[in-house]
Amino acid sequence: LAKTTQPISMDSYEGQEVNITCSHNNIATNDYITWYQQFPSQGPRFIIQGYKTKVTNEVASLFIPADRKSSTLSLPRVSLSDTAVYYCLVVGLSQGGSEKLVFGKGTKLTVNP
Amino acid sequence: SQTIHQWPATLVQPVGSPLSLECTVEGTSNPNLYWYRQAAGRGLQLLFYSVGIGQISSEVPQNLSASRPQDRQFILSSKKLLLSDSGFYLCAWRGQGPQPQHFGDGTRLSIL
Repeated sequence: LAKTTQPISMDSYEGQEVNITCSHNNIATNDYITWYQQFPSQGPRFIIQGYKTKVTNEVASLFIPADRKSSTLSLPRVSLSDTAVYYCLVVGLSQGGSEKLVFGKGTKLTVNP
Repeated sequence: SQTIHQWPATLVQPVGSPLSLECTVEGTSNPNLYWYRQAAGRGLQLLFYSVGIGQISSEVPQNLSASRPQDRQFILSSKKLLLSDSGFYLCAWRGQGPQPQHFGDGTRLSIL
């Protein structure tokens, strides 16, 4: 079962690119990786998901190297409103319908003016 | 579009009282459903998940139980609440296959 490790906190400034890395050394062949953003007293909000290589959407990019033992969430040109906790989640699905979910402990990103 | 509803948003209960939190999903069928708990300033702990009506998998032995009486309804219950049951409870759903989970707005439960 993949265990995930993320930095506890990161600081940045408005307009900078922020990269948050999650380590998942024991990721299995069929596991996929999802990232979430959470503001205080709200449910996590889906950001991006990937299996390998690079995925990009309108808010972020996700880089996954060939060995898939880590993944990096990239937030371009952050603003103050990006201050939040970011979680990576490794999901393992089996054909029988069972699944394994391993959330990281979250990275608190603070964006300064 | 799909939506998820959790209620109540906040709840204050005395120790030893029962609990029932409800979660419903609209706009999809046969979703996977999940209950999480998040202690203050901590990460998410998966409590239960369900792949279908009446099918519940428990991840952590505890004072809580879950039920799925209908396809898009997931209920978290307790017969007698403990102080340690305080926290932020989140419901989530996911479509079939490698789809992301989508979370509700949560219920803040305080035990006195």
